[in-house]
Amino acid sequence: NAGVTQTPKFQVLKTGQSMTLQCAQDMNHEYMSWYRQDPGMGLRLIHYSVGAGITDQGEVPNGYNVSRSTTEDFPLRLLSAAPSQTSVYFCASRPPGHPNTEAFFGQGTRLTVV
Amino acid sequence: AQSVTQLGSHVSVSEGALVLLRCNYSSSVPPYLFWYVQYPNQGLQLLLKYTSAATLVKGINGFEAEFKKSETSFHLTKPSAHMSDAAEYFCADSNFGNEKLTFGTGTRLTIIP
Repeated sequence: NAGVTQTPKFQVLKTGQSMTLQCAQDMNHEYMSWYRQDPGMGLRLIHYSVGAGITDQGEVPNGYNVSRSTTEDFPLRLLSAAPSQTSVYFCASRPPGHPNTEAFFGQGTRLTVV
Repeated sequence: AQSVTQLGSHVSVSEGALVLLRCNYSSSVPPYLFWYVQYPNQGLQLLLKYTSAATLVKGINGFEAEFKKSETSFHLTKPSAHMSDAAEYFCADSNFGNEKLTFGTGTRLTIIP
């Protein structure tokens, strides 16, 4: 069972570079989301999607872009990396339905911007 | 707006001692609460979740949590800590539409041999 797969696991970028963090899930979940984890701040929602072609902003969307062309994939793009974007990024998927439905998380991407 | 507060960013307990991790929620609608655990260099794994069926919820690895509406709390406990419990624990609340989770700031649990 693959679940939620994130690539790469580690990445170092220079300030101003762009990159795409990949996220794929094989559970046919409609809902997908991106969080960033920073010490002392827990996980904060960047962007989320409720289905192919539908995305919305979360709590900290600035500097990030997303699209959802298929149910399986939800890539996160950093347009021009900044040191403030150094963080651990988690992708999650969840089926629609009752609000106590479990979310499934990827293993994370640790990004350092120098 | 929802918010989740976890008191104590670091908790240390001796092996075999009681584990108590605190979570308080603030929601204008019924909360949908979860506890997730994150082991070093891994993603988040569900420990347990609140359903309205019971106020005392049992999860994996011997953990349980009690929902107390009067105290707006959902504290996580385990009677006897094990070395393998060392991890970071997150309390979270779901919005009614189910699209997103609001997380607390996390509590890092250290077990003292």
